[in-house]
Amino acid sequence: ETGVTQSPTHLIKTRGQQVTLRCSSQSGHNTVSWYQQALGQGPQFIFQYYREEENGRGNFPPRFSGLQFPNYSSELNVNALELDDSALYLCASSPRGGSSYNEQFFGPGTRLTVL
Amino acid sequence: AQRVTQPEKLLSVFKGAPVELKCNYSYSGSPELFWYVQYSRQRLQLLLRHISRESIKGFTADLNKGETSFHLKKPFAQEEDSAMYYCALMTRPGGGNKLTFGTGTQLKVEL
Repeated sequence: ETGVTQSPTHLIKTRGQQVTLRCSSQSGHNTVSWYQQALGQGPQFIFQYYREEENGRGNFPPRFSGLQFPNYSSELNVNALELDDSALYLCASSPRGGSSYNEQFFGPGTRLTVL
Repeated sequence: AQRVTQPEKLLSVFKGAPVELKCNYSYSGSPELFWYVQYSRQRLQLLLRHISRESIKGFTADLNKGETSFHLKKPFAQEEDSAMYYCALMTRPGGGNKLTFGTGTQLKVEL
């Protein structure tokens, strides 16, 4: 069983640029969630994708957008980068279901630095 | 809106001492609570969930709805318990499942 993978590991961008982060979900998982973790904070929910549709969104502006592909992998796109976007971006996958037993499995994260 | 509070940024205990990591939540619905752990240089992983009422690596957590708490406990701390611990609340906006995390508590077990 392959775990959640994310790429790249680290990324440095400048203010105003655009960035795309990638995530491959764990085998058999069809739901992908993205979280932003600023230094010293817990992860904050950005949005979730299920069957290629956004399925819940946190308190993030529209310049944070995403995609999910038929193989359940996902991308997070951030436009017009700001300094405060510097953070660790975590992807988590889970099987779809209404039970609390649906654990979210996290990837190692992508560290984004905006200069 | 939902909220999770972990009042301690750092908790330092000696090996063999009891551990209690505090977590309080605010949520108008029926809470589903989790503890996640992140060991050094490893990814975030689930430690336990309240609905399972299980003990993992000697840790337990009881949901107290009256006090809106979900504290994590272990009677005897081990060196390998040193890690970052996050309490999280699951809600289901639009049919999905969203985790709201606390700010985390760094547990340091000293010899």
